[in-house]
Amino acid sequence: DAKTTQPPSMDCAEGRAANLPCNHSTISGNEYVYWYRQIHSQGPQYIIHGLKNNETNEMASLIITEDRKSSTLILPHATLRDTAVYYCIVRVESGNTPLVFGKGTRLSVIA
Amino acid sequence: GAVVSQHPSWVICKSGTSVKIECRSLDFQATTMFWYRQFPKQSLMLMATSNEGSKATYEQGVEKDKFLINHASLTLSTLTVTSAHPEDSSFYICSPGTGGTQETQYFGPGTRLLVL
Repeated sequence: DAKTTQPPSMDCAEGRAANLPCNHSTISGNEYVYWYRQIHSQGPQYIIHGLKNNETNEMASLIITEDRKSSTLILPHATLRDTAVYYCIVRVESGNTPLVFGKGTRLSVIA
Repeated sequence: GAVVSQHPSWVICKSGTSVKIECRSLDFQATTMFWYRQFPKQSLMLMATSNEGSKATYEQGVEKDKFLINHASLTLSTLTVTSAHPEDSSFYICSPGTGGTQETQYFGPGTRLLVL
């Protein structure tokens, strides 16, 4: 069963911020929130992950609510190349535990 | 991030033949390898997990005799689709596990298999 819930699709205008929500109300205390994206016909690409504090890197920002039951991935200035399926995944921080993918959100960036 | 390669990137074969897909972790040692497949317009599904030097563990519904996994070294794992049928046509993706030495999981570029 999926441990996260995401909207199936979203549109975003090019140059605007894309805010992708994710609900993970059953997250455990030792589980991190990971975000990946998959551009058509490519392998998934790591974006960002966090435990409870907000995180930012060169690709995106991750905002996690205080109760950790939901999070938002923010792409500050979306470009056409950001069109992809975005997956929100909760998992313990271990290289021996596989990521389990839900259906994700299909983000379409529109010129 | 970690560099993972797969070969071939795409393959077309006749029904009944076998196809081998290679996955290499180029800049770190993968003690574990995860193999996923993805059917059109669906999400990635974990097929099996292999550990270097031991037998793979397959997910429910995945035939171990059909999808042979070899993880003979820390940098190479292979997936062989034996006696391929059109329903095996899919996008196959590998992902090395790092035994906890890295906190993120990286993926290969994928291999698209079309069985005629």
